Amino acid sequence: QKEVEQDPGPLSVPEGAIVSLNCTYSNSAFQYFMWYRQYSRKGPELLMYTYSSGNKEDGRFTAQVDKSSKYISLFIRDSQPSDSATYLCAMMDSSYKLIFGSGTRLLVRP
Amino acid sequence: NAGVMQNPRHLVRRRGQEARLRCSPMKGHSHVYWYRQLPEEGLKFMVYLQKENIIDESGMPKERFSAEFPKEGPSILRIQQVVRGDSAAYFCASSPPSLGFYEQYFGPGTRLTVT
Repeated sequence: QKEVEQDPGPLSVPEGAIVSLNCTYSNSAFQYFMWYRQYSRKGPELLMYTYSSGNKEDGRFTAQVDKSSKYISLFIRDSQPSDSATYLCAMMDSSYKLIFGSGTRLLVRP
Repeated sequence: NAGVMQNPRHLVRRRGQEARLRCSPMKGHSHVYWYRQLPEEGLKFMVYLQKENIIDESGMPKERFSAEFPKEGPSILRIQQVVRGDSAAYFCASSPPSLGFYEQYFGPGTRLTVT
């Protein structure tokens, strides 16, 4: 079993839709939870990070962490074609190594 | 403020040659991490360095791979005697000093192709 599971997609939605991206994990020691966006043949771009359980909002993006269920989510409101990319969840325990999910490909159709 | 810089962006090597990948962290960042992304796979941690110190190389293959972050200059990931299985995208990330290790910012990557 992988430490971090992420549905690879692709997920196709119309412009303006609310997008929900999710990851599950097995290591209860994870404390930091990140979401990265990666455009084709580019480096990952840090979108948001949260510490422990709870919600965090930044513009059109909301990150949720439920440590009791070992489940994290990223919501994108009013999705735009420019949001089309691969979204990677990543996690960290008390060390400094990021453990990544395999990524979900998102396509926002105009 | 320039981001993390990596060069070259693309590197082609024949089997048996050496590959050298360079990474300059963001200004003010003193921690460097290397990750590898194999085709259709997620990013995997390789090594964590601070200036003149290897902090953790638990993700590095036991042979042929080495990394350094000298007092002056960029961090270098070196792969000796490359094989086809080394073909991948290699990403460098940096983070601020002290408690900022969870803010890792990535460079554009070096895509290594071994022929």
